[in-house]
Amino acid sequence: DAKTTQPPSMDCAEGRAANLPCNHSTISGNEYVYWYRQIHSQGPQYIIHGLKNNETNEMASLIITEDRKSSTLILPHATLRDTAVYYCIVRVAGARQTGANNLFFGTGTRLTVIP
Amino acid sequence: DSGVTQTPKHLITATGQRVTLRCSPRSGDLSVYWYQQSLDQGLQFLIQYYNGEERAKGNILERFSAQQFPDLHSELNLSSLELGDSALYFCASSGAGTGVQGTQYFGPGTRLTVL
Repeated sequence: DAKTTQPPSMDCAEGRAANLPCNHSTISGNEYVYWYRQIHSQGPQYIIHGLKNNETNEMASLIITEDRKSSTLILPHATLRDTAVYYCIVRVAGARQTGANNLFFGTGTRLTVIP
Repeated sequence: DSGVTQTPKHLITATGQRVTLRCSPRSGDLSVYWYQQSLDQGLQFLIQYYNGEERAKGNILERFSAQQFPDLHSELNLSSLELGDSALYFCASSGAGTGVQGTQYFGPGTRLTVL
């Protein structure tokens, strides 16, 4: 069952920052927020994940609110190649290989980067 | 390149037939996951294996089965195929542990077309 809510679609001008919101108001204390993206039927690509602190890597930044009920994925300088469906997923990052490790993909946000 | 490989890339077959999809996980990853993506269902978790043992089942039909071999590669067997089985099938792998180690990385997928 989906534990996240995302807008179905967003547009962003090329070169500008893309801010993709996600609501996860029922997130548990041991659940991480993961972001993946899927570019036109390719395999989903891992972007970033976090528990409660903001995170940054070479692809994006993840801002998680203090109450952890929502987060924002930031692509600092969107390019045309960032056009994709972005999925926000909450899951337990288990130390043991239990069934809780599978990912539930909702419908995501379709981001279109406009030239 | 995620490091996860899947073969074949494309498969076209007829109703009633049986096919086998193959997945090689990233080096060192013990867990393999199978997902199905059809136009009307989105990405759905099918089954997980960890070090040769089944660990979790999702929406996997009884006509479908999987196994993970001692060299950790996995095969998904689909039998008595129906038109509705036409979909993209993705394999993902992950290591054990929390955080980064438990992150799933996806292969490029196998596109199955049942005629």
